[in-house]
Amino acid sequence: QSALAQPASVSGSPGQSITISCTVTSSDVGIYNFVSWYQHHPGKAPKLLIFEVTQRPSGVSNRFSGSKSGNTASLTISGLQAEDEAEYYCSSYAGRSVFLTFGGGTKVTVL
Amino acid sequence: EVQLLESGGGLEQPGGSLRLSCSGSGFPFSSYVLTWVRQAPGKGLEWVSGMTGSGDDKYYADSVKGRFTISRDNSKNTLNLQMNSLRADDTAVYYCARLRLRGYGMDVWGQGTTVTVSS
Repeated sequence: QSALAQPASVSGSPGQSITISCTVTSSDVGIYNFVSWYQHHPGKAPKLLIFEVTQRPSGVSNRFSGSKSGNTASLTISGLQAEDEAEYYCSSYAGRSVFLTFGGGTKVTVL
Repeated sequence: EVQLLESGGGLEQPGGSLRLSCSGSGFPFSSYVLTWVRQAPGKGLEWVSGMTGSGDDKYYADSVKGRFTISRDNSKNTLNLQMNSLRADDTAVYYCARLRLRGYGMDVWGQGTTVTVSS
């Protein structure tokens, strides 16, 4: 059982906005603001989209944004495009004993 | 160009051993925490192990603790993962990834190397 719970799937039409949630279920993880988000296309390396909950690395489209409310972090994709169809994972630092953990992943489908 | 390149994957029998390597280039290798992440067929990403730049601290997922050993040779810009007592559920694509200097995001990834554990 992952310490980070994500919905299995989210879908939207081109141009719409969608939001993927990542709920922290472990107190070991919840005290840190080190949530990251990754995009993973099959057969390719994962790509970092967001770090430290809201920060976007250089080169990542501003259509991707991160936020957090209470024990739930969220990734919002604005202006959904066909190329956004992929698996999305949240991840968090979880303390020295666990170090890092991933959510179960969310399949995004562009209708 | 900043790059990570994994090698060493292959087919091994249950109970056997494999050693994965990850070669880094284009960045000050010894300054970065490096990690191993895997994806089993049909499953999500799973963090496996990590090591600080100095090598002073090593971290392992419970699923591999006692069986896998992470190491690095900063003089050769290489990260290693020694995998012993392999099990069928270790079958996965193994990725090497670099943690940002700030924030625990993994910002550089290798292309992955496939490990298959089967008799």
